[in-house]
Amino acid sequence: AQSVTQLGSHVSVSEGALVLLRCNYSSSVPPYLFWYVQYPNQGLQLLLKYTTGATLVKGINGFEAEFKKSETSFHLTKPSAHMSDAAEYFCAVSVGGGKLIFGQGTELSVKP
Amino acid sequence: DTEVTQTPKHLVMGMTNKKSLKCEQHMGHRAMYWYKQKAKKPPELMFVYSYEKLSINESVPSRFSPECPNSSLLNLHLHALQPEDSALYLCASSIGETQYFGPGTRLLVL
Repeated sequence: AQSVTQLGSHVSVSEGALVLLRCNYSSSVPPYLFWYVQYPNQGLQLLLKYTTGATLVKGINGFEAEFKKSETSFHLTKPSAHMSDAAEYFCAVSVGGGKLIFGQGTELSVKP
Repeated sequence: DTEVTQTPKHLVMGMTNKKSLKCEQHMGHRAMYWYKQKAKKPPELMFVYSYEKLSINESVPSRFSPECPNSSLLNLHLHALQPEDSALYLCASSIGETQYFGPGTRLLVL
């Protein structure tokens, strides 16, 4: 069965520091992978996605993620954190038929 | 434009009330979704409509009744809800495997 594991329910970084949010997946088929961000009292916004092709995917707001099949990982990074990046981040894998399997989420805090 | 709109933004209802949530998209997406999200948790899928037909019902209680009047609109009719149904209700639509979410309706059941 497909699943998504996000390592760390809470990550705290200083402003200007590297952001690394970890996501591992299991999938019996080539996966479609997504990162979503959710700001307080808002819906989910698509940050980036991997479907096929280039394994390094660039998204909005300076985020990027690399699909590593051998490690079954899709970690999200940003070189320099900004205060406005503080939010909840969800990794998800598509299992077909309109279903997304979400990780439990990682809350990112950014310290001044 | 990847916008999904939802109304109302907030809703407070009693356990005997009937209310409806509305979702709209004009991106030509042919699949639409309802999710329920509790605080600090990922969204939980409730219903999927594909080409205006209900394709997935994740064993949702009958007090939640979805409706897809046309390819741009999705409603969720609420009746006799329980306090534990209080949550953020998210609508989404998709092109291929990529889902785009609306801002949600924050529902409080008293």
